[in-house]
Amino acid sequence: RKEVEQDPGPFNVPEGATVAFNCTYSNSASQSFFWYRQDCRKEPKLLMSVYSSGNEDGRFTAQLNRASQYISLLIRDSKLSDSATYLCVVFPPRGGYNKLIFGAGTRLAVHP
Amino acid sequence: DGGITQSPKYLFRKEGQNVTLSCEQNLNHDAMYWYRQDPGQGLRLIYYSQIVNDFQKGDIAEGYSVSREKKESFPLTVTSAQKNPTAFYLCASSIERTDSGANVLTFGAGSRLTVL
Repeated sequence: RKEVEQDPGPFNVPEGATVAFNCTYSNSASQSFFWYRQDCRKEPKLLMSVYSSGNEDGRFTAQLNRASQYISLLIRDSKLSDSATYLCVVFPPRGGYNKLIFGAGTRLAVHP
Repeated sequence: DGGITQSPKYLFRKEGQNVTLSCEQNLNHDAMYWYRQDPGQGLRLIYYSQIVNDFQKGDIAEGYSVSREKKESFPLTVTSAQKNPTAFYLCASSIERTDSGANVLTFGAGSRLTVL
């Protein structure tokens, strides 16, 4: 089993749709979790951290389910500009930043 | 504006040649990293450096070398020993801290290396 797994997609959704991605992780002691956004042929950029209580930033909501070992990203009212690859990043236990584990990403394509 | 500058953006290399990718940051970050990204895979760590004049191997260091003579600079050399060097290379930096605040890693725009 991979340490961090994501459905590669692509998720093809119309503008205005709500879409959700999950990311599962294998180490139950993992400390912190993040979602990064990566546009085609560009660098990843931090979208949001994922807090235990869940957190929201505008149309984006991140959730953590420690019991089932997954994090989720919900995007409401999808825009064309949301089309990108979303990377799940996990901070393992007893690790520095050099131990960050990146998922392969889920591709989202929003169409008119 | 503070950030990370990588150059060149695109690079073509013949087999058997060494190439050096530049990474410069003006964020005053202590730690710097080199990652490799291949299609369908997560980013993989090549080398990292937490302070000047010190660096450590990551998960896939074979065929690569680095130096950290200045805080701002962390160049990566892809040597001829790297068997499959065609990839997207990303440099990143961070403030080393233990809390889970935002801006965990800041990335440069990347360098795309193609071996002909």
